[in-house]
Amino acid sequence: LAKTTQPISMDSYEGQEVNITCSHNNIATNDYITWYQQFPSQGPRFIIQGYKTKVTNEVASLFIPADRKSSTLSLPRVSLSDTAVYYCLVGALNQGGKLIFGQGTELSVKP
Amino acid sequence: GAVVSQHPSWVICKSGTSVKIECRSLDFQATTMFWYRQFPKQSLMLMATSNEGSKATYEQGVEKDKFLINHASLTLSTLTVTSAHPEDSSFYICSARPPEVGWEQYFGPGTRLTVT
Repeated sequence: LAKTTQPISMDSYEGQEVNITCSHNNIATNDYITWYQQFPSQGPRFIIQGYKTKVTNEVASLFIPADRKSSTLSLPRVSLSDTAVYYCLVGALNQGGKLIFGQGTELSVKP
Repeated sequence: GAVVSQHPSWVICKSGTSVKIECRSLDFQATTMFWYRQFPKQSLMLMATSNEGSKATYEQGVEKDKFLINHASLTLSTLTVTSAHPEDSSFYICSARPPEVGWEQYFGPGTRLTVT
């Protein structure tokens, strides 16, 4: 399972776009990139998943460059309720769903 | 979306007693469930993979005799913390993966265990 590196913390203000970058230099050909969000004392919540280029859903976008050694989670116009820890995970579908969480990025959104 | 529940949401027990935590997939069947532990201000640590009808697979460093896992049906996995001690106090989270979904996992709300 590829190791990931993210900033420990980030600060932002309401209404801004937030980009959180994750490094995964040892990503394998079969690996997908998945991001989860976790609020205090709650289980993580799936945000978005991608393999290459760009993926967008109703809450976020995921940008993956051609070499796939990094990825960027983009949260448009954040609000106070987006204050949470964001985890980037890398793994293959054939690994039985096993997830190894890195340190995550603690995002603090201020008014 | 798929829902995973946990019971209880919090529990306080005395040192030396055992505590059972349930994890249920409410609207899908899960042949595999996962158990995590999370200490304050730390990331989730995978403890074990729970397989329906077979023995759980424990991660390195996790005592299988202390953390008993039973996956008796396709919708229920239980984690029993035996002879709990204060250092076992933590936030325990389970997750399950619907078989038809590639890699997305659904997490339970977690169980806060406090051992006094």
